[in-house]
Amino acid sequence: KQEVTQIPAALSVPEGENLVLNCSFTDSAIYNLQWFRQDPGKGLTSLLLIQSSQREQTSGRLNASLDKSSGRSTLYIAASQPGDSATYLCAVASRGFGNEKLTFGTGTRLTIIP
Amino acid sequence: ETGVTQTPRHLVMGMTNKKSLKCEQHLGHNAMYWYKQSAKKPLELMFVYSLEERVENNSVPSRFSPECPNSSHLFLHLHTLQPEDSALYLCASSQVIRDEQYFGPGTRLTVT
Repeated sequence: KQEVTQIPAALSVPEGENLVLNCSFTDSAIYNLQWFRQDPGKGLTSLLLIQSSQREQTSGRLNASLDKSSGRSTLYIAASQPGDSATYLCAVASRGFGNEKLTFGTGTRLTIIP
Repeated sequence: ETGVTQTPRHLVMGMTNKKSLKCEQHLGHNAMYWYKQSAKKPLELMFVYSLEERVENNSVPSRFSPECPNSSHLFLHLHTLQPEDSALYLCASSQVIRDEQYFGPGTRLTVT
């Protein structure tokens, strides 16, 4: 059974700092890994998707890496801004019922201090 | 705007009521999903539909009944719910299963 863990559960950093969010998963047989952000009371916004054959993906100030063999992914946010404050969720797609199952971590709640 | 809409955004219902949640995607996707997000728990996948056919359900109680009349619409019919069913219900879609998923804003459900 796939399990996804995100540490820390909450993080506060001053504006302008670079930061790293961590995600680990127990079953390395994954199809892809996706990072989302969720604002309070709202749905999820997809940030980056890394296929199992890839090592990293970049979008603007965000960079996500994937080390499938060790079951880890990191989301790097450069030059953080107050608008980056949100909960960041990591999800891995692996074989489950049907063709695919997306398993989520519990998220890291990020607060950027102006 | 994600291209996936959900209505209603908020719903309060009694345990004996029957209500339905609606999801619509405007992205031309072929797969749609229902998720449940409870406080302090990871998102739980409930149902997956691919080309309007249910792939399988994830051991969800029968008081939740999904319906996918076409590839753009997905419903979740609710009846005789329990207070522990109170949660944020999220709909998502993807081009095909295993592809990147796009989420709607969710329906905040409260069962009294």
